Amino acid sequence: GESVGLHLPTLSVQEGDNSIINCAYSNSASDYFIWYKQESGKGPQFIIDIRSNMDKRQGQRVTVLLNKTVKHLSLQIAATQPGDSAVYFCAENKGYDYKLSFGAGTTVTVRA
Amino acid sequence: NAGVTQTPKFRVLKTGQSMTLLCAQDMNHEYMYWYRQDPGMGLRLIHYSVGEGTTAKGEVPDGYNVSRLKKQNFLLGLESAAPSQTSVYFCASSPQGSSYNEQFFGPGTRLTVL
Repeated sequence: GESVGLHLPTLSVQEGDNSIINCAYSNSASDYFIWYKQESGKGPQFIIDIRSNMDKRQGQRVTVLLNKTVKHLSLQIAATQPGDSAVYFCAENKGYDYKLSFGAGTTVTVRA
Repeated sequence: NAGVTQTPKFRVLKTGQSMTLLCAQDMNHEYMYWYRQDPGMGLRLIHYSVGEGTTAKGEVPDGYNVSRLKKQNFLLGLESAAPSQTSVYFCASSPQGSSYNEQFFGPGTRLTVL
């Protein structure tokens, strides 16, 4: 069954604002948590990952936060742009079985 | 490099028919995966392979078979298609030696079973 899940299925954001997409997980033994982006009609694309012994990791305009106390991770997108409109998935890597487990996805819509 | 390609892009089958979906990658990746994506359910792993000649079951393997005879190709077969197999199918690959967090996905195959 699904061990990572997203809090909200949809998110509407004003262009230029910051977006926060949340995800909860149940497996404390996971090695990594990962975020993917899927644009309409395309396959998912890797955004960023974070190892379970870290609290924060930054990329280009994105930051992932990991709160192990409440088993929660979030993806923050700075200065959201129209090209950020997509479905975002969180996923976990248990570290031993060559597989990722994906959550259901949050659809982000950017309003002009 | 073409990356990960999938053939065909669309297909309509009748219940009971069989078909094979082809995935090809030109990145010399060791690991390859087949997922299905249904509305509201994210990506579910069907089968995967950690090297040429090896395959393993994922989360939802029933009704599907796979083969990895060549490193660059990963085939997904439906022996007797059912309406429940209507879905979008994605193939992905990742290199050995990495944490395999970054998987490279193909454009998908939209399959409808009537």
